[in-house]
Amino acid sequence: GAGVSQTPSNKVTEKGKYVELRCDPISGHTALYWYRQSLGQGPEFLIYFQGTGAADDSGLPNDRFFAVRPEGSVSTLKIQRTERGDSAVYLCASSLRRRLAGDSSYNEQFFGPGTRLTVL
Amino acid sequence: SQQGEEDPQALSIQEGENATMNCSYKTSINNLQWYRQNSGRGLVHLILIRSNEREKHSGRLRVTLDTSKKSSSLLITASRAADTASYFCATDLNTGGFKTIFGAGTRLFVKA
Repeated sequence: GAGVSQTPSNKVTEKGKYVELRCDPISGHTALYWYRQSLGQGPEFLIYFQGTGAADDSGLPNDRFFAVRPEGSVSTLKIQRTERGDSAVYLCASSLRRRLAGDSSYNEQFFGPGTRLTVL
Repeated sequence: SQQGEEDPQALSIQEGENATMNCSYKTSINNLQWYRQNSGRGLVHLILIRSNEREKHSGRLRVTLDTSKKSSSLLITASRAADTASYFCATDLNTGGFKTIFGAGTRLFVKA
């Protein structure tokens, strides 16, 4: 089937505004990750979902960032009161099944094309 | 802060030559992965090596892992122009939680 999709592909907003970024994972993938990537840098982990719950949100930079995955499929990353420093490409990835903490097993993460967020 | 650090930051070689990229990390890991990212596109998983493995091959790729030095290397043999991309190492930490931590990447340019 289709890969991971993200919408919109580009989002331009003004400082202080609220934005929502959407991720559609591969069908059947229970694990979902959000990352953000600044120019010239690697992806920075934000949050990990197992099914509907956020199993690890330790990468969210502050309380302006929030993510949901109410039905265990589509996820939305929400950013309140956007700041210029939030400008980046926001990447979503999904993998087939849940991981256990400390487990050395691994399921390949499939990445979406990203949403480029620009805060003016 | 990011866990992995790659070097070199950028690498330019001729087609047919081998390319070696290195990655260092700081804390205990479950496994280490290498990803490729073409300009303007998403990341693609290349290869994974577990913490109890020392070397792994996949096609023209060879990955080594030295947990005592907390380092890994990615070797691409007989490079092609199509290998031009950014390459990232990523680690799944062995400290509980579910973080995957990426390095800043090596930008590889293969000249035809």
